[in-house]
Amino acid sequence: LAKTTQPISMDSYEGQEVNITCSHNNIATNDYITWYQQFPSQGPRFIIQGYKTKVTNEVASLFIPADRKSSTLSLPRVSLSDTAVYYCLVGDGRDDKIIFGKGTRLHILP
Amino acid sequence: EAGVTQFPSHSVIEKGQTVTLRCDPISGHDNLYWYRRVMGKEIKFLLHFVKESKQDESGMPNNRFLAERTGGTYSTLKVQPAELEDSGVYFCASSQVPSITSTDTQYFGPGTRLTVL
Repeated sequence: LAKTTQPISMDSYEGQEVNITCSHNNIATNDYITWYQQFPSQGPRFIIQGYKTKVTNEVASLFIPADRKSSTLSLPRVSLSDTAVYYCLVGDGRDDKIIFGKGTRLHILP
Repeated sequence: EAGVTQFPSHSVIEKGQTVTLRCDPISGHDNLYWYRRVMGKEIKFLLHFVKESKQDESGMPNNRFLAERTGGTYSTLKVQPAELEDSGVYFCASSQVPSITSTDTQYFGPGTRLTVL
């Protein structure tokens, strides 16, 4: 599985747009990029997945440049409830297990 | 639709005791996974069931851990005897397809916090 690198922590204020960038320099052709969100005292929750260009859903947007060596999770107009750990994962699905890194601890301030 | 449920939410036991954790996956999900996070570490995979069969148990730390999924429904994870280093949060997840490239991805339960004193 491709190794990922993301910030350990980030702070932002309510109402702002937050962008979390993940580096995955050795991503393989068949790999997808997936982001999970974990609130305190809860299990991780899938939020978005993409292969290239841009993906948007009701929670977030995922921007993937042409070389796919990085990706950016964008959270529009964050609120206090977006405080969580965000995990960037890369894989082709042949491995059944999810390998979690340290994630990015996002703290939203009032 | 009910999500993945885990019981208990928190367990405190003494070293040497036995504890059994339970996971009820989302109905219809053949795939069931156990993960755990020990203090200060990342979430680590323990094992994967497909229905009642163990598909991958490469993450099980040692033979003090026994996972079962009788009938392919709920699963139990027993730790016997528990050691101090077993303290952590144990997560269960389920999915219809065993892949992170599918939109039908793994759905996690809230976890069981195990404290071994």
